[in-house]
Amino acid sequence: AQSVAQPEDQVNVAEGNPLTVKCTYSVSGNPYLFWYVQYPNRGLQFLLKYITGDNLVKGSYGFEAEFNKSQTSFHLKKPSALVSDSALYFCAVRDYNTDKLIFGTGTRLQVFP
Amino acid sequence: DADVTQTPRNRITKTGKRIMLECSQTKGHDRMYWYRQDPGLGLRLIYYSFDVKDINKGEISDGYSVSRQAQAKFSLSLESAIPNQTALYFCATSDLSGKYNEQFFGPGTRLTVL
Repeated sequence: AQSVAQPEDQVNVAEGNPLTVKCTYSVSGNPYLFWYVQYPNRGLQFLLKYITGDNLVKGSYGFEAEFNKSQTSFHLKKPSALVSDSALYFCAVRDYNTDKLIFGTGTRLQVFP
Repeated sequence: DADVTQTPRNRITKTGKRIMLECSQTKGHDRMYWYRQDPGLGLRLIYYSFDVKDINKGEISDGYSVSRQAQAKFSLSLESAIPNQTALYFCATSDLSGKYNEQFFGPGTRLTVL
């Protein structure tokens, strides 16, 4: 069965510092991986996805993610955090057989001024 | 995403009441989904529909039912609400033509069952 894990419930970063939100996956076959962000009182917004190709994927709002097959990871990164990046971040994998998205439990990112 | 709307945005109801949550989309997508979000559990799939004649159960469908009235409308019903159905509910859509396309989410409905 496909699954993703987000090992950190919360990540705290100072504004201007680089940030990393971790995600590991378990799939049979090729992984199709996604990152979403949820701001307070809003729905989930798509950030980026990995389907195939370059291991470094660039997405919205200056975010990028690095796909690492040997470590089965898809960590979300940003070189310089902003206070406005504070939100809940979800990693997800598309189930190969059913085409459904399977979400991680979410990581709350807090960026301090 | 304004292209996916949900009504109501907030609802408080009592145990045993029937309640319907509605989702409409103007994106022209074939696929629609209902999720619930609980703190610490992420999003879990309740039901999904690949077209108006195709309805499928997700991982937590017990206590819920759905209706796909049209390509653009997908409703979620709780026939007899119970307190552990208190959660944030999201509708989402995706495009059939792109197998690896992302899903687009509505703003959510916060449901409280007393």
